[in-house]
Amino acid sequence: NAGVTQTPKFRVLKTGQSMTLLCAQDMNHEYMYWYRQDPGMGLRLIHYSVGEGTTAKGEVPDGYNVSRLKKQNFLLGLESAAPSQTSVYFCASSYRFDREVNEQYFGPGTRLTVT
Amino acid sequence: ELKVEQNPLFLSMQEGKNYTIYCNYSTTSDRLYWYRQDPGKSLESLFVLLSNGAVKQEGRLMASLDTKARLSTLHITAAVHDLSATYFCAVVPISSGSARQLTFGSGTQLTVLP
Repeated sequence: NAGVTQTPKFRVLKTGQSMTLLCAQDMNHEYMYWYRQDPGMGLRLIHYSVGEGTTAKGEVPDGYNVSRLKKQNFLLGLESAAPSQTSVYFCASSYRFDREVNEQYFGPGTRLTVT
Repeated sequence: ELKVEQNPLFLSMQEGKNYTIYCNYSTTSDRLYWYRQDPGKSLESLFVLLSNGAVKQEGRLMASLDTKARLSTLHITAAVHDLSATYFCAVVPISSGSARQLTFGSGTQLTVLP
């Protein structure tokens, strides 16, 4: 049981390049989330998904797109990377909220630098 | 807009001492989470507090929730070096709907000195 995994772990991009971050979970969770973490700050929600084929915007969605074609995978795309997107990206997943605890489980993170 | 404020943001304490981290939030919530993060690592769940007056304890850490005051505390008893980490509280506002989106505090960076 791998939990939540993220690919890649590190990446350096040049301004204007594109890339996709992959998140996978093997816990059969309905909900999945993408966060970014900047120095001295807590995590901020970028996009989330409540089920296969559905996505929604979080607190800081600009410059990012997401897709959830399969229940176990949640992709985060940067179409034209900017230095302001330098950050550590965390994926998380959870059961539906109507389960009592609905705890979010986090992946190991992807450290992205945009030069 | 939901605001989640933690204090202190930085905390250095001697081994063996006690201290409390505070988490205040600005809107009605029915659950609150505490996470631990070690440098360069992911977030590890510590506690989930589901109701007013909830208290949970694990080892030297004890968390409590007062939903009327919109306040949660994380109390550290007889600190040891292994507790050095950044601690985050996260709140799920009732208005967040079915997705149960978390809003995080800025974190408290705890350093336990020998």
